[in-house]
Amino acid sequence: DAGVTQSPTHLIKTRGQQVTLRCSPKSGHDTVSWYQQALGQGPQFIFQYYEEEERQRGNFPDRFSGHQFPNYSSELNVNALLLGDSALYLCASSFLAGAPEQYFGPGTRLTVT
Amino acid sequence: AQTVTQSQPEMSVQEAETVTLSCTYDTSESDYYLFWYKQPPSRQMILVIRQEAYKQQNATENRFSVNFQKAAKSFSLKISDSQLGDAAMYFCAYRSAKGTGTASKLTFGTGTRLQVTL
Repeated sequence: DAGVTQSPTHLIKTRGQQVTLRCSPKSGHDTVSWYQQALGQGPQFIFQYYEEEERQRGNFPDRFSGHQFPNYSSELNVNALLLGDSALYLCASSFLAGAPEQYFGPGTRLTVT
Repeated sequence: AQTVTQSQPEMSVQEAETVTLSCTYDTSESDYYLFWYKQPPSRQMILVIRQEAYKQQNATENRFSVNFQKAAKSFSLKISDSQLGDAAMYFCAYRSAKGTGTASKLTFGTGTRLQVTL
């Protein structure tokens, strides 16, 4: 039973560039949430996708956008990268009508220079 | 808005001993879930234990147990017989239970780094 997978593992970008991160949920899960974890901090909720729609959004600017595909996988896009966007980006999956816990992937470490 | 507070940035425990990590939260809701997640240096967030607010009985998972005090809004994690593999960051998290099947985010604390010594 495959768990949550994310790609790439690491990424280095320059300020002003755009980046796309990818996530495949755990088998049987239909909901994907994205979190940003700055160094030494707890994860902060970015947004959540279900049925290919954004269902809930945290306090992040419109530069952060996402997408969910019919196979439930998801992408996180960040435009006009800032130095402050450097962080670990975590994807979590869950089953909307099922148990409340979310299962996390290994994360993508984004460094903006 | 809900907040989660972990007031212990770092804790240390000797192997085979018991340690308790503290967590408090603030919410106006009566129905919610609380979680402890473990994040080792490999970065992957691993679910340790879950507690439903409507349950009075404290959750237990092998060597891990919680002390849930709803009125005090306190949710501590006790690790018994600590092992070297328990060394990690531990995060307390809150999730609303409002509405079945609705989207609901996790709100995390700032974490407690647990060191396990020989």
